[in-house]
Amino acid sequence: DQQVKQNSPSLSVQEGRISILNCDYTNSMFDYFLWYKKYPAEGPTFLISISSIKDKNEDGRFTVFLNKSAKHLSLHIVPSQPGDSAVYFCAAAAGNKLTFGGGTRVLVKP
Amino acid sequence: EADIYQTPRYLVIGTGKKITLECSQTMGHDKMYWYQQDPGMELHLIHYSYGVNSTEKGDLSSESTVSRIRTEHFPLTLESARPSHTSQYLCASSPRDPGGGSPLHFGNGTRLTVT
Repeated sequence: DQQVKQNSPSLSVQEGRISILNCDYTNSMFDYFLWYKKYPAEGPTFLISISSIKDKNEDGRFTVFLNKSAKHLSLHIVPSQPGDSAVYFCAAAAGNKLTFGGGTRVLVKP
Repeated sequence: EADIYQTPRYLVIGTGKKITLECSQTMGHDKMYWYQQDPGMELHLIHYSYGVNSTEKGDLSSESTVSRIRTEHFPLTLESARPSHTSQYLCASSPRDPGGGSPLHFGNGTRLTVT
């Protein structure tokens, strides 16, 4: 049973435009949500997080939105840059466990 | 920023061999984790540790074992490698539980191929 789902396996966007990545979860006990970025042959790198008591967190070009009632979060990247091309993982935390989604591969075209 | 090191980066080994994947971190983090990831799939937790002499199995059943004799070191061992063990193994550490908002810091992983 997959508790964290990223339903779009891939996304292609033009440089300078907005990238929107979506993530759905089923476990209402999750209290922190995180986004990681992963380049090939490297480990995931932490990007941004949001507490379940908030609905928005912003850090530079990255903004995460949380809709608890819909059990949905999204990551907005604006403007998108070629260096943003990577796989993005959504993750949800409860206690000592971090559960990951399957990832979305983003390709930013120059 | 946490420094966490995994060796080897790539390993190709024959069936039946015993292997140990090394993971070390220099930040003094108590929590350490091993995740397994197949290409295009989510990361699955296979082992975690709260501190020295503490190890627990994760959500995904694994034939591997781990040990935590020193804070900085969290090796993973497969006694008899099989082709089904072919995967990427990612080690991570954090100062606190992720449920408290503490992100995990990952190493660059070991890509294991068992022939």
